[in-house]
Amino acid sequence: DGGITQSPKYLFRKEGQNVTLSCEQNLNHDAMYWYRQDPGQGLRLIYYSQIVNDFQKGDIAEGYSVSREKKESFPLTVTSAQKNPTAFYLCASQNPGFGEKLFFGSGTQLSVL
Amino acid sequence: AQKVTQAQTEISVVEKEDVTLDCVYETRDTTYYLFWYKQPPSGELVFLIRRNSFDEQNEISGRYSWNFQKSTSSFNFTITASQVVDSAVYFCALSDLTGFQKLVFGTGTRLLVSP
Repeated sequence: DGGITQSPKYLFRKEGQNVTLSCEQNLNHDAMYWYRQDPGQGLRLIYYSQIVNDFQKGDIAEGYSVSREKKESFPLTVTSAQKNPTAFYLCASQNPGFGEKLFFGSGTQLSVL
Repeated sequence: AQKVTQAQTEISVVEKEDVTLDCVYETRDTTYYLFWYKQPPSGELVFLIRRNSFDEQNEISGRYSWNFQKSTSSFNFTITASQVVDSAVYFCALSDLTGFQKLVFGTGTRLLVSP
């Protein structure tokens, strides 16, 4: 079945450590997104990519980095510069075109030790 | 700037009650899309509906219905005869030409349906 796979489901970060969240899709979508979800704040856009080897900052990109070397993969690295990383992270993908819906993965819960 | 407001943080109802989730949006574009997503406890957001700005017809899908009113910039969602399985967080989202393909989400409404 086609879909988006995020791993791991739970991740713990030590202070000063970088961690990478995985996102893989087999929907053949060009666009991919990373959102951060905090209680009561909805979803906020971290980074997005509309095509391979290209990505753009979203509203809260500081302390995060991404790469898009393959169409299927869009990993997110939470760097040590992100001082408040505890949140639920959602990856999504989308067909090209205005008004297309997003397909979401099941998310990664990141916590700080 | 695009903005979506879901003023209801949490709603509690008893099974079989009808419930309406409010969504108010702001955009300067005349062409835009509105969405509703459901987030069950498992965490994955599930697409429910998409509506473009030129189609103000209300839509009904089983127990779900949506009321789109451009005059009040609202896109409200009603669940008729709610069930325990409807318990989830519901998000309204907006995509307009200014933001290209990106969706801007509201803060969500948590719906708790008790038996």
